[in-house]
Amino acid sequence: DSGVTQTPKHLITATGQRVTLRCSPRSGDLSVYWYQQSLDQGLQFLIQYYNGEERAKGNILERFSAQQFPDLHSELNLSSLELGDSALYFCASSVATGGFYEQYFGPGTRLTVT
Amino acid sequence: AQSVAQPEDQVNVAEGNPLTVKCTYSVSGNPYLFWYVQYPNRGLQFLLKYITGDNLVKGSYGFEAEFNKSQTSFHLKKPSALVSDSALYFCAVRDIEGDTPLVFGKGTRLSVIA
Repeated sequence: DSGVTQTPKHLITATGQRVTLRCSPRSGDLSVYWYQQSLDQGLQFLIQYYNGEERAKGNILERFSAQQFPDLHSELNLSSLELGDSALYFCASSVATGGFYEQYFGPGTRLTVT
Repeated sequence: AQSVAQPEDQVNVAEGNPLTVKCTYSVSGNPYLFWYVQYPNRGLQFLLKYITGDNLVKGSYGFEAEFNKSQTSFHLKKPSALVSDSALYFCAVRDIEGDTPLVFGKGTRLSVIA
């Protein structure tokens, strides 16, 4: 158990809908990362937050947004969902940003868009 | 820009034999290097990292990795493979300068055959 929690574990929804994925980092970790894992694209970095502020953006679509709250949990919002958004979404956390700090991953949320 | 290459999509090895999972990287400066493992339906688990110093890094579950600066490689090794080592392995890199996100390779699926 990495100490990172993600809810829900599974999510099935229809095209055009909006969903929110939630992540609680390990106790003491200030940095949160979101990744998308699909069979054809591998592990794609979406976005990073550090202590409530956006720190880095990767291949995140405009339909997707995220935020980190004062208690350091984070939410990833996916809207106008398309079939191609079906994937595993991982949250990871680390003590700080950058440097040699390893990231600890949650168990993921499996999103299925029908 | 940072990048990681894992040249083999799949590695097959017999139980008890040594295993190697290859990784090469590209960064503008010096790297921090990481290996992660992903078991089915689970999040990524941190195995080991190279920061500086000894080129041979020891990690969890008997794994080790050798940093080779001249060949820009960081291959993962284990002297004697177990069936339970069968999983997806990811190499990742970050430049020590700056505050860039971790860049992951596409992963190598290791299959250990009894």
